[in-house]
Amino acid sequence: SQQGEEDPQALSIQEGENATMNCSYKTSINNLQWYRQNSGRGLVHLILIRSNEREKHSGRLRVTLDTSKKSSSLLITASRAADTASYFCATDAQGYNKLIFGAGTRLAVHP
Amino acid sequence: SQTIHQWPATLVQPVGSPLSLECTVEGTSNPNLYWYRQAAGRGLQLLFYSVGIGQISSEVPQNLSASRPQDRQFILSSKKLLLSDSGFYLCAWSIWGSYNEQFFGPGTRLTVL
Repeated sequence: SQQGEEDPQALSIQEGENATMNCSYKTSINNLQWYRQNSGRGLVHLILIRSNEREKHSGRLRVTLDTSKKSSSLLITASRAADTASYFCATDAQGYNKLIFGAGTRLAVHP
Repeated sequence: SQTIHQWPATLVQPVGSPLSLECTVEGTSNPNLYWYRQAAGRGLQLLFYSVGIGQISSEVPQNLSASRPQDRQFILSSKKLLLSDSGFYLCAWSIWGSYNEQFFGPGTRLTVL
C-alpha cells in the first residue's frame, strides 16, 4: 500500500492497562493524523501531529512521530472499556493532496 | 456547531439496480466534501472529493459517480450496482482549502445481493 500500515492488527487488553498502536508509512509527509471508529460508525478525528513535531498529547492520548523511521505511535494510557474501537492513522503525504488511511488496529479493552 | 448527515443508514439492493446515497452538512459554508468506501475490517478508500459546487474529482475509476448540486450536499450514485459495490460508505467534510481534520458522517451500510 502507499501509506499507513498499522500494527498490531488487533490488540486485547484489560482496563487500566496502556495500549500502544503503531503506524508506518513510506513517503515524506506534511502531517499524520489518528482517527477512531466505533463499530459500524463514522470516524472521529483524535489528533494531528505535524512533520516537525515529535510528540503531542491530548488527554490520555500520546502520539509520537519519528520521521527518520517513518513511523508513529499512539499510546492510550489507563484504558477504559469505552476505548474499545478501531484506530486508524492517516497521512497527509507530500504530493498526494489527500489523506491516505491505513487498515487500522482493532482495540478491545476488557472490564 | 457543524453536523453531517447521511442516509439511508443501511441499504440492501439487487445487482443491476440504481443507487443514490445522500450526504448533507450543516453549520459550515463551502466545505470540502469526500466519499469513502470501507471494506469489512479494512481502511478507507477515497472515491470522490469536491472543493465546490459542480466540482468533482474521482480517485478510482469504477461503477460509481458523485455530484454536488448544492454547497453542502454531496450525492453518490450508480446506474447499475455490482456485487463488488457492497461496503460501508462514509461521507466526510473538511474546511475549505484543507483536507486535514476531516469530520465523518455515520455511514451507510450497502449490501448488494
